[in-house]
Amino acid sequence: AQSVTQLGSHVSVSEGALVLLRCNYSSSVPPYLFWYVQYPNQGLQLLLKYTSAATLVKGINGFEAEFKKSETSFHLTKPSAHMSDAAEYFCAVIPSGGSNYKLTFGKGTLLTVNP
Amino acid sequence: GAGVSQTPSNKVTEKGKYVELRCDPISGHTALYWYRQSLGQGPEFLIYFQGTGAADDSGLPNDRFFAVRPEGSVSTLKIQRTERGDSAVYLCASSLGGGAREQFFGPGTRLTVL
Repeated sequence: AQSVTQLGSHVSVSEGALVLLRCNYSSSVPPYLFWYVQYPNQGLQLLLKYTSAATLVKGINGFEAEFKKSETSFHLTKPSAHMSDAAEYFCAVIPSGGSNYKLTFGKGTLLTVNP
Repeated sequence: GAGVSQTPSNKVTEKGKYVELRCDPISGHTALYWYRQSLGQGPEFLIYFQGTGAADDSGLPNDRFFAVRPEGSVSTLKIQRTERGDSAVYLCASSLGGGAREQFFGPGTRLTVL
């Protein structure tokens, strides 16, 4: 079964600093990969997704993620954090075959941005 | 346009009671999903509808949980004989067909079982 590991349940950065949120997946076949953001009392919003077209994926709000097959990773980055980036971030996968509709999520990383 | 909506936003019930949670997907989306998010965890898949039929209900925890989508649009998640362990946020999502298309999530229903 697919699984997703997000290293660090809580990441704290200063405003203007680099944001790096880590995600590793377990699958012998590269799955589809997603990053979602969840603001308090709101639904999940898609930031970006990897579907094998390009290894560096650009998303909304200045975020991007790089797919590295050799490391089974899909880390999320943003060069300069804004206060408005404070939220919980979830990495998720959909298998490339079989049940290719079922999102499997990591446990999430809470991002705090300090002024 | 309107996104996915879920009602109620909050539901408090007593152990043993029956509850219904409603999801209105984005108009035209044929695929609908239910997920459950427990405190401190990521969402977990419950059930997937393609049109009116449940294509995959493998994530439903037991037979107290049931979901319907009779006309291929609105869906209702039904929980019988609620238990305290059912307390969670229940999320609904919809997409244009299945596959790895973007799933658009609603704000969720927070269920508390006392």
